Amino acid sequence: AQSVAQPEDQVNVAEGNPLTVKCTYSVSGNPYLFWYVQYPNRGLQFLLKYITGDNLVKGSYGFEAEFNKSQTSFHLKKPSALVSDSALYFCAVRGTGANNLFFGTGTRLTVIP
Amino acid sequence: EAGVTQFPSHSVIEKGQTVTLRCDPISGHDNLYWYRRVMGKEIKFLLHFVKESKQDESGMPNNRFLAERTGGTYSTLKVQPAELEDSGVYFCASSLLLPNTEAFFGQGTRLTVV
Repeated sequence: AQSVAQPEDQVNVAEGNPLTVKCTYSVSGNPYLFWYVQYPNRGLQFLLKYITGDNLVKGSYGFEAEFNKSQTSFHLKKPSALVSDSALYFCAVRGTGANNLFFGTGTRLTVIP
Repeated sequence: EAGVTQFPSHSVIEKGQTVTLRCDPISGHDNLYWYRRVMGKEIKFLLHFVKESKQDESGMPNNRFLAERTGGTYSTLKVQPAELEDSGVYFCASSLLLPNTEAFFGQGTRLTVV
């Protein structure tokens, strides 16, 4: 069975501080991992993905994520948070041979000025 | 280039009524997906089209939901009759027919059944 866990419903961080949004997954075969962001009244926007290769993946808006196979994690990170990063973040996984994505419940990030 | 567009953005209907949601994917995207998010929960897969064919409809909750993609372009998702538990945000996404490409999502339709 495929699943994604985002253990934190809410993450608060001060502007300028580093941020981490956690994600762990369970999947059959090799995982294909994605992060999406939803700003208010907008659709989901693709941030980054891990398919193969380097464990550290860089994406849009200065975000990056690190794939850790032993811990089955794919945490989203940014060195210095901006107020404009405040949004709802979703982690998603797709297993080998699968077509659809399995999403987590989302984490609401609030960056405090 | 236009993104994935969904209509309407909001819909409030009474229990027992019918609602039809529409999704226009990005031009050239053969994959089309429908997802639903009930308040505070995960985004759940409903079904997947490849062109006009249903590839996987394992996520459709019951036979009150009917999805179509005639001609392999836009898609509709009809709920008939609607129940209270159908309330949520319905997302459509599309992607190229290539392995490991990311899906692009629409802004969603917020459906409220009262």
